[in-house]
Amino acid sequence: SQTIHQWPATLVQPVGSPLSLECTVEGTSNPNLYWYRQAAGRGLQLLFYSVGIGQISSEVPQNLSASRPQDRQFILSSKKLLLSDSGFYLCAWSVWVAGSGEQYFGPGTRLTVT
Amino acid sequence: GDSVTQMEGPVTLSEEAFLTINCTYTATGYPSLFWYVQYPGEGLQLLLKATKADDKGSNKGFEATYRKETTSFHLEKGSVQVSDSAVYFCALSLNRDDKIIFGKGTRLHILP
Repeated sequence: SQTIHQWPATLVQPVGSPLSLECTVEGTSNPNLYWYRQAAGRGLQLLFYSVGIGQISSEVPQNLSASRPQDRQFILSSKKLLLSDSGFYLCAWSVWVAGSGEQYFGPGTRLTVT
Repeated sequence: GDSVTQMEGPVTLSEEAFLTINCTYTATGYPSLFWYVQYPGEGLQLLLKATKADDKGSNKGFEATYRKETTSFHLEKGSVQVSDSAVYFCALSLNRDDKIIFGKGTRLHILP
């Protein structure tokens, strides 16, 4: 069966510090991978989308970047965190089947920038 | 553009009450529709889905019917439990790729 892991689960970082969040998927090949941010009182915002190794689409301009060094590994990074980067970060995967559209989410990382 | 609108929360109900969470959508073409649920401190889980008009998705006592004429996909449950307390997201997929457009979520509190 497929599983998705995210770490760390929680993180408190000062403004201006770097960030690296990791997501890995097991039990599937060549998944599409996503990073979302969920801010308090707001919905899900799609940050990055990847259909393969080294292929990253950015959905919104921002202080963050993403990389996919391996087929089932997706990393979210920042060189210098801002207060506004605080939120709950969710990684998700899917394998596209026409008419399906389901995504499977990891447990999330709660980031607090102080 | 394509979008999902769902009722704002929080919604507070007593245990065994009837639940409706309204959801309407705007989309070109024929989307697939979903309800996802997020329990406290966790990621999202797919609750149910419907892929064409008049389909009814159901799971764990929850139901939603794909209504093309009213562009709606309202979530219902006949008798809620405390364990149903969560945030519920209505969503659609345009079936061109597997990107999903989510509503803003509705927080549900069930009182014992």
